[in-house]
Amino acid sequence: NAGVMQNPRHLVRRRGQEARLRCSPMKGHSHVYWYRQLPEEGLKFMVYLQKENIIDESGMPKERFSAEFPKEGPSILRIQQVVRGDSAAYFCASSREEGRNSPLHFGNGTRLTVT
Amino acid sequence: AQSVAQPEDQVNVAEGNPLTVKCTYSVSGNPYLFWYVQYPNRGLQFLLKYITGDNLVKGSYGFEAEFNKSQTSFHLKKPSALVSDSALYFCAVRLILTGGGNKLTFGTGTQLKVEL
Repeated sequence: NAGVMQNPRHLVRRRGQEARLRCSPMKGHSHVYWYRQLPEEGLKFMVYLQKENIIDESGMPKERFSAEFPKEGPSILRIQQVVRGDSAAYFCASSREEGRNSPLHFGNGTRLTVT
Repeated sequence: AQSVAQPEDQVNVAEGNPLTVKCTYSVSGNPYLFWYVQYPNRGLQFLLKYITGDNLVKGSYGFEAEFNKSQTSFHLKKPSALVSDSALYFCAVRLILTGGGNKLTFGTGTQLKVEL
C-alpha cells in the first residue's frame, strides 16, 4: 500500500524560473495538505484542498504560489518566478476524511533549492 | 489563535534512560493533540494522538504522552530510550472548526539525541 508520493525529491531552480511540485495522496484519501519547512523552523501550513476545491489557503503567500488538486491526477503546488527565500522542504500530507480521528500521512517531501 | 510551544530545541538522553520531550499548547476550546517524528530526509510519521478519554495515550515504538489540561501540556515520554529514537519530534494541535478540516499547527520541533 503506497504512502503519499511526492516528486521530485530534489528540485533545483534558478531565480525567476517556475517550480512544480507533485503529490499523489494515499489510496482512498481525498484531502490534501501542503506544508513548508524552513531550516530551523517547524512546519508551516500552506493550503488544504479536496478534489477540485481549495478549502483553506490561509497559509499561502499572496503572490507567485498556487495549488490545485484536479479530479484526475496528483495535487500540484506551483511557485512562479522563484526567489532564494523559496528554498525549503515542501511536504504534502493526505487524510481519508476531515474527521478528527484521521491523522495526516506525510510524503517524504520535495527539497527545493533556488540558486 | 492556536499555538504550540516546544521549549527545548534539543534533548540529550543516555540509552536506557527515560526520556521526556515537552510540549505546551494554547487554544480556545478542546484541543486535539498529536506527536509526529521526522527522520533525516524523510516526512513526518504519526506517533500518537489525544482526542478524548484517558489522559495517558500510548503510541508507536513504545512512546506515550500525557495530556494535562490544567497545565495545557502534552509531553511525550518513553520509559527506556534507544539510540534509534534519535530524530526530530514535533508536537501539533488541531482545533475543531465548523466545517471540519484537518489543519495542524506544529511546534518548532525538538531534536532528540540518544547516546550510548
